[in-house]
Amino acid sequence: QQQVKQSPQSLIVQKGGISIINCAYENTAFDYFPWYQQFPGKGPALLIAIRPDVSEKKEGRFTISFNKSAKQFSLHIMDSQPGDSATYFCAASGNTPLVFGKGTRLSVIA
Amino acid sequence: EADIYQTPRYLVIGTGKKITLECSQTMGHDKMYWYQQDPGMELHLIHYSYGVNSTEKGDLSSESTVSRIRTEHFPLTLESARPSHTSQYLCASSKAGTSAGELFFGEGSRLTVL
Repeated sequence: QQQVKQSPQSLIVQKGGISIINCAYENTAFDYFPWYQQFPGKGPALLIAIRPDVSEKKEGRFTISFNKSAKQFSLHIMDSQPGDSATYFCAASGNTPLVFGKGTRLSVIA
Repeated sequence: EADIYQTPRYLVIGTGKKITLECSQTMGHDKMYWYQQDPGMELHLIHYSYGVNSTEKGDLSSESTVSRIRTEHFPLTLESARPSHTSQYLCASSKAGTSAGELFFGEGSRLTVL
């Protein structure tokens, strides 16, 4: 049973466009929702994270939107750039180790 | 920049060999983790430790074992490697706290068992 469901599996976006990746979770005990970015040959790195007491968090071009009642959260990348091409993972945790979504491979084309 | 190191980065080995993947961090983090990443990208937790002499199995069943004798060191061992163990293994660490907090990942050890 997958605790965090992520979609889409892959995404192609034009340079300057908006990239949107969605995640849904089941466990209401989760209280921390990060997004990780992974480039080929590297380990994942924290991009941005949110806790359920806020509905949105923005850091530069990256925004997390969080809907507690729907148990969903999403990552929005504004003005997407070729350098954003990477694999993105949503994740969630409570008092337990992080569980990850299956990942989204984003390609930003010029 | 995270200070967590994994060696070897790449390893090709024959079936039946014993291997140890090393992971060290210099951040003084109490919590350390091993994730297995398959070619389809998904990350599976196979082991974790919340401190010295404390280890737990993760969600994905694994024939590997781990030890935590020192805070900074969390090696993973396969006693007898098989082709099914071929994968990327990622080590991570985080500060102690009530929730997982930020994970710092190493660059991974890519294991190929022939």
